[in-house]
Amino acid sequence: ELKVEQNPLFLSMQEGKNYTIYCNYSTTSDRLYWYRQDPGKSLESLFVLLSNGAVKQEGRLMASLDTKARLSTLHITAAVHDLSATYFCAVDMAGNKLVFGAGTILRVKS
Amino acid sequence: GAVVSQHPSRVICKSGTSVKIECRSLDFQATTMFWYRQFPKQSLMLMATSNEGSKATYEQGVEKDKFLINHASLTLSTLTVTSAHPEDSSFYICSAREGEKLFFGSGTQLSVL
Repeated sequence: ELKVEQNPLFLSMQEGKNYTIYCNYSTTSDRLYWYRQDPGKSLESLFVLLSNGAVKQEGRLMASLDTKARLSTLHITAAVHDLSATYFCAVDMAGNKLVFGAGTILRVKS
Repeated sequence: GAVVSQHPSRVICKSGTSVKIECRSLDFQATTMFWYRQFPKQSLMLMATSNEGSKATYEQGVEKDKFLINHASLTLSTLTVTSAHPEDSSFYICSAREGEKLFFGSGTQLSVL
């Protein structure tokens, strides 16, 4: 059974600071996704990581994937208040099903 | 980009009634759609995989007679919560794949009184 562990579960950041969210998973997978969710809303796709060593960046967010270590990271650079949300990683298992991490609640304080 | 439309966005119903949620892929065909449930402050849990023209595949612990899924066309899947009870109150989200990306509907907040 695929397990996805995400940490930290809650992250309080100061504006302008950098931080990293970690996503570990237990079995081999070819795809890993990062999503953002605002309260009461659905999921917004941030990144799709398809191969070992993949790195993608969009604005202040950068995601990477190490399939050998079964680890993905979401790095936040110079946080701003607009980044406050819940972030989920999700791993694609057989049959195109996603298994989600527990989510990281990010709060950026000014 | 691909869009998945989900309706209704919010529904309040009495205990014992049935509620239907629709999920449509607007500009692409989806032979497979997925239904997730999310309880407050929790992650998303896959309920079932909806397959066009065939029976849905349910995850362990999900009652197929309670959560009826129909995928009658390449652009529409429906989830019917039958005889809803307060414990069924949750946020239901559908998704569909196009290429390497999964797109999610806007979600349906179900409240059963």
